[in-house]
Amino acid sequence: AQSVTQLDSQVPVFEEAPVELRCNYSSSVSVYLFWYVQYPNQGLQLLLKYLSGSTLVKGINGFEAEFNKSQTSFHLRKPSVHISDTAEYFCAVTSKAAGNKLTFGGGTRVLVKP
Amino acid sequence: GAGVSQSPSNKVTEKGKDVELRCDPISGHTALYWYRQSLGQGLEFLIYFQGNSAPDKSGLPSDRFSAERTGGSVSTLTIQRTQQEDSAVYLCASSPRQGIDEQFFGPGTRLTVL
Repeated sequence: AQSVTQLDSQVPVFEEAPVELRCNYSSSVSVYLFWYVQYPNQGLQLLLKYLSGSTLVKGINGFEAEFNKSQTSFHLRKPSVHISDTAEYFCAVTSKAAGNKLTFGGGTRVLVKP
Repeated sequence: GAGVSQSPSNKVTEKGKDVELRCDPISGHTALYWYRQSLGQGLEFLIYFQGNSAPDKSGLPSDRFSAERTGGSVSTLTIQRTQQEDSAVYLCASSPRQGIDEQFFGPGTRLTVL
């Protein structure tokens, strides 16, 4: 079985400040990792994904994440946030054994303040 | 191009009634997923269709839930004898091929059971 823990349920941050959203996973097999963003009253949109290769992954809107196998983490970062980054962010994991079914973390709500 | 569409966007029903939720995946996508997003349970997997293979129903919470996918395209999620705990946002996603890949999400159907 696999699981995902997002340690922060809410993260308030000032505009133009950096933000880091933490994600830790648990799995007995090799994993593939995703970050999705959900804007109010919308579906999920992919920010970035780690499938293989470089452990530093760059995504859309200036976000990046680093896969750390030894720490079983996939933290999301952005060096300077905008008001428009206010949304809920979900970390998700899957594996070949899971057949691409995603297991999601509980989500982190980011509120960017002016 | 057109994304994943879902209908209706909102559905209010009375306890005990049956409901049908529809998902139109991206044209040509062979994999289709249903997830449920609720306050108490977060985002959870329900069912997965891949091509002509038998669906993976391992996430369905009870036998009141069923889904079908006709002609390898449109999918319908049916909930019989709805209960208040079925109130949630039901999200559909599709993926272009078998195996590990990005899932493209629809906007969801918000179901409220009175």
